[in-house]
Amino acid sequence: EDQVTQSPEALRLQEGESSSLNCSYTVSGLRGLFWYRQDPGKGPEFLFTLYSAGEEKEKERLKATLTKKESFLHITAPKPEDSATYLCAVQVPAGGTSYGKLTFGQGTILTVHP
Amino acid sequence: GAVVSQHPSWVICKSGTSVKIECRSLDFQATTMFWYRQFPKQSLMLMATSNEGSKATYEQGVEKDKFLINHASLTLSTLTVTSAHPEDSSFYICSAMGLAGFSYEQYFGPGTRLTVT
Repeated sequence: EDQVTQSPEALRLQEGESSSLNCSYTVSGLRGLFWYRQDPGKGPEFLFTLYSAGEEKEKERLKATLTKKESFLHITAPKPEDSATYLCAVQVPAGGTSYGKLTFGQGTILTVHP
Repeated sequence: GAVVSQHPSWVICKSGTSVKIECRSLDFQATTMFWYRQFPKQSLMLMATSNEGSKATYEQGVEKDKFLINHASLTLSTLTVTSAHPEDSSFYICSAMGLAGFSYEQYFGPGTRLTVT
């Protein structure tokens, strides 16, 4: 069974204090690993998709990396507006009507204090 | 990025009534849409996968007769919660899969808050 584990469950940072969120996965085969940001009461907002080990993607203060067993979301010099729940999800190769199915981790609640 | 809308954004209904939620991809065609539910402080749980023009595929434990899904066009999928009960109260989120460059990305709607009284 595909499993996705995110750590820590919650992270409190001071503004400007860089850190990383972890997403460990156990899957039969990885098609893609997704990172989303979710604000309270809203749908997830797409951040990145990573497809192969060694791949890195950046967007503003965020950088996502991928290995064969885990992914990291690095946050450089965070600001209070970066406070949100960060979700990672894996997508495995599948045929038929299961194509594109995502399995989500439990999320990391990030709070950045000014 | 691609835009996915949901309507309504919130709804309150009485126990025993049915509620329909719409999910639209506004600027791209989505051959596949997904329906999730999310309880407070929990992650997203996939309910079903909806393919345009065919029957939806439901995840284990999801009652297909209670949660009716229709994907009538490449831009619209609907979820109908039939004979709703208080335990169906939740945050329902749809996503749509669209082609971005050479790969398919999955974009989420803003969600629908359902409260059954």
